[in-house]
Amino acid sequence: EAGVAQSPRYKIIEKRQSVAFWCNPISGHATLYWYQQILGQGPKLLIQFQNNGVVDDSQLPKDRFSAERLKGVDSTLKIQPAKLEDSAVYLCASSFLSGGRGLETQYFGPGTRLLVL
Amino acid sequence: SQQGEEDPQALSIQEGENATMNCSYKTSINNLQWYRQNSGRGLVHLILIRSNEREKHSGRLRVTLDTSKKSSSLLITASRAADTASYFCATAGFQKLVFGTGTRLLVSP
Repeated sequence: EAGVAQSPRYKIIEKRQSVAFWCNPISGHATLYWYQQILGQGPKLLIQFQNNGVVDDSQLPKDRFSAERLKGVDSTLKIQPAKLEDSAVYLCASSFLSGGRGLETQYFGPGTRLLVL
Repeated sequence: SQQGEEDPQALSIQEGENATMNCSYKTSINNLQWYRQNSGRGLVHLILIRSNEREKHSGRLRVTLDTSKKSSSLLITASRAADTASYFCATAGFQKLVFGTGTRLLVSP
């Protein structure tokens, strides 16, 4: 079974530029998550989708971050414009069971390491 | 904000020794999960323990949960160099899965 795929693996941009990350979850997984992991910290949930609907985006900085999950499969996370403090690893995860919020085992992709200069 | 807090922040042991890391949390939970993260890679789920369970085993891993103290521990027995990683507890309440700050484990040959 293929795992969660993410691209790119690394990205370096200058502040005020825009950047987009892509995620392809495990086939059949209804729930998709985007996390931000700052160096030395645990992952922080940015947004959670169930199929193509948003379940939780309470910690997403909506003035600069946006995410979509078209057709309930792939997802993209965009930052525009980027700030220095956005430097982090962006992790995508998916889980099979829908319904519960964060209750099921989540399967993580390798992450995208973003550096904002 | 992070709900779980792991202790210690860093742990260094020799191969063959046991490693114990602890997690404390603040509010009621549905279950508690432990994940491992190797350097520069994604997280891997290790074990899930439900709020009505007190102990769970998986291979060399043993997890305990004390809901009265709002704490959990992860024991890795007979550690190997390949166990070198960061370990995170994550609490699943009503809203979401919230990760702690992690314990960095170094296992030396």
